[in-house]
Amino acid sequence: GIQVEQSPPDLILQEGANSTLRCNFSDSVNNLQWFHQNPWGQLINLFYIPSGTKQNGRLSATTVATERYSLLYISSSQTTDSGVYFCAVDHMDSNYQLIWGAGTKLIIKP
Amino acid sequence: EPEVTQTPSHQVTQMGQEVILRCVPISNHLYFYWYRQILGQKVEFLVSFYNNEISEKSEIFDDQFSVERPDGSNFTLKIRSTKLEDSAMYFCASRTGPYNSPLHFGNGTRLTVT
Repeated sequence: GIQVEQSPPDLILQEGANSTLRCNFSDSVNNLQWFHQNPWGQLINLFYIPSGTKQNGRLSATTVATERYSLLYISSSQTTDSGVYFCAVDHMDSNYQLIWGAGTKLIIKP
Repeated sequence: EPEVTQTPSHQVTQMGQEVILRCVPISNHLYFYWYRQILGQKVEFLVSFYNNEISEKSEIFDDQFSVERPDGSNFTLKIRSTKLEDSAMYFCASRTGPYNSPLHFGNGTRLTVT
């Protein structure tokens, strides 16, 4: 089945720094979403981005479907950005159920 | 913006007890899902539901689990006889179509089985 790998697994940054999180997937996908899981466990939908580039405030994402990766950019990090960032994809071989990466745990220090 | 709502946010139950987790999907969505996340692990698919039927289920979704859409708005997950290993965060999600549309997740129910 399709594999989803995220890097880095952990990232510790000072407030104000920028970061790039990566998601690689092993096959062409139908759907790709980025989520932020906050310290309370809630999943916040950041981007639905099967291809192309989107921006929302300090966050932006780019998916290059032909090369099977997606990047999430966080600029001017704030402590509230801390948490785990997940990439999830679906594919017809998974019957379009989301397959999740293991996440990148981001800690922003004040 | 419409949201998926889940209740309760926390549930503590004793091993062997039945629990029902409740979800209200977004009103114009037709496809409904339950996922779970054991602490520190990946989010895992449990079951998908469309047109009042289960359309797909994972190996995790055994006979202890059932889903129901008892009325036009609620979508429930029942665990018949809880085990310690059922302790997890359970997420409900919905979307408009089976693909080419994003899944919208609720805030989850944290289930603790003691």
